[in-house]
Amino acid sequence: QKEVEQNSGPLSVPEGAIASLNCTYSDRGSQSFFWYRQYSGKSPELIMSIYSNGDKEDGRFTAQLNKASQYVSLLIRDSQPSDSATYLCAISDRGSTLGRLYFGRGTQLTVWP
Amino acid sequence: DVKVTQSSRYLVKRTGEKVFLECVQDMDHENMFWYRQDPGLGLRLIYFSYDVKMKEKGDIPEGYSVSREKKERFSLILESASTNQTSMYLCASSTTGQIYGYTFGSGTRLTVV
Repeated sequence: QKEVEQNSGPLSVPEGAIASLNCTYSDRGSQSFFWYRQYSGKSPELIMSIYSNGDKEDGRFTAQLNKASQYVSLLIRDSQPSDSATYLCAISDRGSTLGRLYFGRGTQLTVWP
Repeated sequence: DVKVTQSSRYLVKRTGEKVFLECVQDMDHENMFWYRQDPGLGLRLIYFSYDVKMKEKGDIPEGYSVSREKKERFSLILESASTNQTSMYLCASSTTGQIYGYTFGSGTRLTVV
């Protein structure tokens, strides 16, 4: 079983602050990494994907990957109350074309005005 | 837009009933997945399929079966519903190669009474 660990929440930040969400994984051969956002009562939606070491930016979101440390993070700049949700980290199966993802249990983020 | 459609948003069934949850995707994805999500336990994979008439057990297949007669449709069957199967059920699909992550359906909240 592949382990995906996320920093335990809940995480609470003020509006305008940077929210930092962290994830570590056990399988060194994992190839693809994803962040999903899940609002209460809704299904997860993909917000970021990253495949190479380094940073990937998309608007207010930055994903960071360090394969040597088996660590992936998500930074949310200028956090808004609408960012309040649970964030799920997911990694791909090693070398698999079947597309199974392994999910962390999620970190709940609250952004207060 | 990729659409993954789950037939019911909310279902209430009685203990012992046979329950069918339907999932249809319109993007010609090869892979389809059924998860259940429970508070504190995260997403747990029940079954997945990588081709028509093919199925693979996930981490918690007991009490469930699946059917994939057509590429676009993946059904989850609860053979004899029990109260411990009360949960949110999420269907997802993905393309082979897994560089785009999953697309999730909107979920079915099943209550077994």
